[in-house]
Parts: sequence; C-alpha cells; structure tokens
Amino acid sequence: EPEVTQTPSHQVTQMGQEVILRCVPISNHLYFYWYRQILGQKVEFLVSFYNNEISEKSEIFDDQFSVERPDGSNFTLKIRSTKLEDSAMYFCASSELHNNEQFFGPGTRLTVL
Amino acid sequence: RKEVEQDPGPFNVPEGATVAFNCTYSNSASQSFFWYRQDCRKEPKLLMSVYSSGNEDGRFTAQLNRASQYISLLIRDSKLSDSATYLCVVNTGSYIPTFGRGTSLIVHP
Repeated sequence: EPEVTQTPSHQVTQMGQEVILRCVPISNHLYFYWYRQILGQKVEFLVSFYNNEISEKSEIFDDQFSVERPDGSNFTLKIRSTKLEDSAMYFCASSELHNNEQFFGPGTRLTVL
Repeated sequence: RKEVEQDPGPFNVPEGATVAFNCTYSNSASQSFFWYRQDCRKEPKLLMSVYSSGNEDGRFTAQLNRASQYISLLIRDSKLSDSATYLCVVNTGSYIPTFGRGTSLIVHP
C-alpha cells in the first residue's frame, strides 16, 4: 500500500539554525500539506501546495517558513531561523484531490534547543 | 466559539460496548468532514469520511447534521485496539483543514 514517508524521524537543532524537513508524498497525489502538532495540543494546518505553488497557508506559516517541491518526488518544509517554540511534531500529508481524504506521513519530531 | 470542538474525554468503556462521540463546528460553509484516529505519538490515520447521508464502515458509523452543525462517530462492539484519540476534521469554506483537539477513548477488558 503506498504511503507518505518523512525524513528525518527526529531532528535536534540549535535556536537560530535552519532546518529542512523532507517528505515523499504518495506518487499519484497532487495536493501536499504540512501540519504541526505541539506536544499535547491539536494538529495545526500550516500550508497546502498544488501545481508547484502554495494554495493556502495559515497564520503560523510566516516568513520563517517556506516549502518547495525540488523534484518530482520530494516536498520540503524549511524553517529559516528556528525558535524554541518551533519544537513540535511536523506531519506531511498528501491527497489525490482537493478537499479530499489526506494521508499522513509518520512525522518528524523537531527539537529546538 | 472555537471552530471545531470535541469533548476531550477520556471515554472509558469495556470491550463490547457502544460509544459515540460528537464534534461541533462553527463555520456553516464547511464543505467536507472526516474522522481520523491518532495513537500516542503517531500520525493521524484516516478512519472515514463523513457524508451527508451518513455512512457506515463495519463497526463504525458516521453522521452529519448540517442544521445543528455537528458530526458524530459511533463505534459498536468496541475492541481493545480501538483505544486511541479520535480527531474530527472539518474543511472550512477556505479549504483549510481544521482539526479538533480529539476525544480520547480507552477500551478496557
């Protein structure tokens, strides 16, 4: 069964450093998403991406964040200058159609020290 | 009023019980609705979409009440493996998926 994969599973970084989180969505899916979940809190939408551009983004997704699909398979989330409050689980998801069921990757746990 | 609200629980039920969760949403323009389950420190996994006419998948039944702006999930014949957090997801008119905080279910022997 096809699945979304994410690397690394855990990333530890120093405050102020840049991090890139990687995702490989399901191959025939056209819509890609990033979410974050701070420990003990709800899943929060960050951004959706379609046809090589951002289609929606939340208030959380400020100038420190960017997304990219550098090739035909990877989808990345970059945080330019990490803050302590960026520590969270980051989930990538993909869907075949817009407004449709999304399938999540296993997540990357980001720890900012 | 929060966009998507769920009773956090926990709902503590014996094996074989029937349990129901509700989820209310505030945006009447919401277009699509889903239930996901999330195990501790794992990713959300799609359980089922919620259709206007209601839908069933084995022991799980989902219903939508647009007039009162809530969706429900009914689990019959609960199994130990059903223990998880159940997340309600509502796609608002702007197609931003909004998650509820989740309802915790504990099924005990």
